[in-house]
Amino acid sequence: GGIITQTPKFLIGQEGQKLTLKCQQNFNHDTMYWYRQDSGKGLRLIYYSITENDLQKGDLSEGYDASREKKSSFSLTVTSAQKNEMAVFLCASRRDWGEDEQYFGPGTRLTVL
Amino acid sequence: TQTVSQSDAHVTVFEGDSVELRCNYSYGGSIYLSWYIQHHGHGLQFLLKYYSGNPVVQGVNGFEAEFSKSDSSFHLRKASVHWSDSAVYFCAVRMSNYNVLYFGSGTKLTVEP
Repeated sequence: GGIITQTPKFLIGQEGQKLTLKCQQNFNHDTMYWYRQDSGKGLRLIYYSITENDLQKGDLSEGYDASREKKSSFSLTVTSAQKNEMAVFLCASRRDWGEDEQYFGPGTRLTVL
Repeated sequence: TQTVSQSDAHVTVFEGDSVELRCNYSYGGSIYLSWYIQHHGHGLQFLLKYYSGNPVVQGVNGFEAEFSKSDSSFHLRKASVHWSDSAVYFCAVRMSNYNVLYFGSGTKLTVEP
């Protein structure tokens, strides 16, 4: 078995601040994802990466940067935090190309003051 | 653009009841369909998926889903729910040869004693 770890669990920042969320997986999966989950809504894809140093934009990439420097880790940066992007950010990984099962971390809840 | 629609935001049933959670999609090509469950404060967990073959697929914990091409649907069912089934359920769609899942907005299932 494996696990996805997201840090921090809760992130509080000021409006306009640059904030970084981290995700680690020990599944040895190639593909990793960052989603944003707004309250009462579905998940929207921000970025994904199919291998180390690869980055692919999702539908919600504006205002975010991502980094995949190692196979096991995938970071997301909120470039200038806004109050309307308070949400839970979920990291996920997937074993193989074409595989539908994604494994999710517990999430980071972002609060912007 | 494909869409995934979960028409019921909330469903409440009693323990032992059967339940059906509805999912409709709009996409005419070859797709993969899946269901995920999210317990409060946790990430999503994979339940089951369908691509081809028998339109009824079995998942974990007694869940099953039925694909209907004519109705563009992939409804999730359970014959007898337990209080621990209380969670948010997400339907997801992926186009074949594509790396991204599109999620519905989720259905919150509450199982009362």
